[in-house]
Amino acid sequence: DTGVSQDPRHKITKRGQNVTFRCDPISEHNRLYWYRQTLGQGPEFLTYFQNEAQLEKSRLLSDRFSAERPKGSFSTLEIQRTEQGDSAMYLCASSFHDRENSPLHFGNGTRLTVT
Amino acid sequence: QKEVEQDPGPLSVPEGAIVSLNCTYSNSAFQYFMWYRQYSRKGPELLMYTYSSGNKEDGRFTAQVDKSSKYISLFIRDSQPSDSATYLCAMKGASGGSYIPTFGRGTSLIVHP
Repeated sequence: DTGVSQDPRHKITKRGQNVTFRCDPISEHNRLYWYRQTLGQGPEFLTYFQNEAQLEKSRLLSDRFSAERPKGSFSTLEIQRTEQGDSAMYLCASSFHDRENSPLHFGNGTRLTVT
Repeated sequence: QKEVEQDPGPLSVPEGAIVSLNCTYSNSAFQYFMWYRQYSRKGPELLMYTYSSGNKEDGRFTAQVDKSSKYISLFIRDSQPSDSATYLCAMKGASGGSYIPTFGRGTSLIVHP
């Protein structure tokens, strides 16, 4: 079990550029979540997938954000035309959803800095 | 008012102290409760996962849930400097919009030698 892996760990970009983050969940997990965390705050939900289907998106997820999970394995989160307000830690988590509702397991996040 | 309230601290205690961390919530649909520990610049690490009201113990950690009061706690016995971190509570329901885990803002804990 290698845990949830996120890449890159840190991304610095200029305002207006596009960025893409990758998440590799725990292999047997069928649910994958994206959260955003700013300093001094808890993680805020962005979106989640069950297998390859994106089942819910938060109101926080503007049209500049898009997420995919092709083939139900890894996921990517893209932010287009980045703004300084997008600077945050982007966390990916996975879980195995069955009747018992297992908890989320997080990766170490991608820290985005928009200059 | 947020669905999950958590005092941000910081909470500073001497090594060996018993630490009590707490969260309150407003959504009665929440049925599953989690505590995570987060070190600086790392992702949250799951510590405890509980479903029913009552206590659950794991080593130095005890999670307590009181659904009637909508109040959960995490107790840390014999606290160590390595316990210094931010502790996040999280909760979710079994169906509908509440099944997406909602987090508190975290409590910063400092255990000094």
